[in-house]
Amino acid sequence: KNEVEQSPQNLTAQEGEFITINCSYSVGISALHWLQQHPGGGIVSLFMLSSGKKKHGRLIATINIQEKHSSLHITASHPRDSAVYICAYTGNQFYFGTGTSLTVIP
Amino acid sequence: NAGVTQTPKFRILKIGQSMTLQCAQDMNHNYMYWYRQDPGMGLKLIYYSVGAGITDKGEVPNGYNVSRSTTEDFPLRLELAAPSQTSVYFCASSDPGTVYGYTFGSGTRLTVV
Repeated sequence: KNEVEQSPQNLTAQEGEFITINCSYSVGISALHWLQQHPGGGIVSLFMLSSGKKKHGRLIATINIQEKHSSLHITASHPRDSAVYICAYTGNQFYFGTGTSLTVIP
Repeated sequence: NAGVTQTPKFRILKIGQSMTLQCAQDMNHNYMYWYRQDPGMGLKLIYYSVGAGITDKGEVPNGYNVSRSTTEDFPLRLELAAPSQTSVYFCASSDPGTVYGYTFGSGTRLTVV
């Protein structure tokens, strides 16, 4: 059983739309990560969160520790945002969600 | 800074052969990790290290070995390659104090035939 669940699994959006990807986890964590994997396979770390909210450009990540839930938002989406977005946490062990595949259509 | 460097990028092995996947980082990170990613699947942790001389098993350690003699290097050894080890392998390092957390290598695509 995967300890971290992401939704949706697949998402198609029109360019310019506001996008939200959700992540829920079931155990206490010390940090939650959002990663981006492009079709070529490279993985980039977007955020590491232990509380609150972080913003980087058009990307915003939030976390609610009490509800064990995090969201990744993309404002003014662009085709270059098309990628797989992966939520992961590091607690006593290391767990990754299976990712959300995002396609942004021009 | 080069970040995390993995070599080789691609490799084809025959069943039963051995090889070492190299991983080096120049960021002085204490934490290093090896993951595998099977087609269409998420990342699974093979081994990790919290510092030189310290390693521990992840979710899927069978068939692999690691060592961490220096802070910079974290090689992954496959002793008797099996088709089930066909995967993309990612090395990563982290410093909990940084904003973005993890830094990943570009991956090694391994095929065992």
